[in-house]
Amino acid sequence: ELKVEQNPLFLSMQEGKNYTIYCNYSTTSDRLYWYRQDPGKSLESLFVLLSNGAVKQEGRLMASLDTKARLSTLHITAAVHDLSATYFCAASHSGGSNYKLTFGKGTLLTVNP
Amino acid sequence: NAGVTQTPKFQVLKTGQSMTLQCAQDMNHEYMSWYRQDPGMGLRLIHYSVGAGITDQGEVPNGYNVSRSTTEDFPLRLLSAAPSQTSVYFCASSLNPPRARSYNEQFFGPGTRLTVL
Repeated sequence: ELKVEQNPLFLSMQEGKNYTIYCNYSTTSDRLYWYRQDPGKSLESLFVLLSNGAVKQEGRLMASLDTKARLSTLHITAAVHDLSATYFCAASHSGGSNYKLTFGKGTLLTVNP
Repeated sequence: NAGVTQTPKFQVLKTGQSMTLQCAQDMNHEYMSWYRQDPGMGLRLIHYSVGAGITDQGEVPNGYNVSRSTTEDFPLRLLSAAPSQTSVYFCASSLNPPRARSYNEQFFGPGTRLTVL
């Protein structure tokens, strides 16, 4: 069974600082997704990582995937208050007829002035 | 193009009542899924569908039924509501299942907040 673990679960950082959120998954997966959720809102897709070594960047966020280490990272550069949200990673199973997406528990990011 | 729509936005039920949460998408997506979100638990998959007439169970299917008679609609039925089903429910859709060999963004609906007393 695929398990997805994120850390940290809570992250409080100052504006202008850099930090990384880690997403580990337990079995083979060749798709990794990152989502953002604002309080009381739905999920917004940030990145879809399709292959080993994939790197995608959007503004101050950069995501990468290492399928050999079963690890994806979401790096935040020079954080601003608008990035405060909960970030989820999710992995899809890569074998058989399994079409499920498994989510991590989320990282609540608070960026303080 | 409305994307993924869900109704109702809020619902309060009494234990034992049944109801249907509606989900519809107008993007001609084959893959649709239902999740529940509980504090500290992330999102957990309830049921999913890879096309009209095809559904399968996710991680937490007990107490829920689904059907997919059309590409557009994927309703979730609570058979006999229990307080443990108090949660926020999200419907999502994507062109292909998550494993497809293509960029495959999932679109989420706005959610339904359900309280079971």
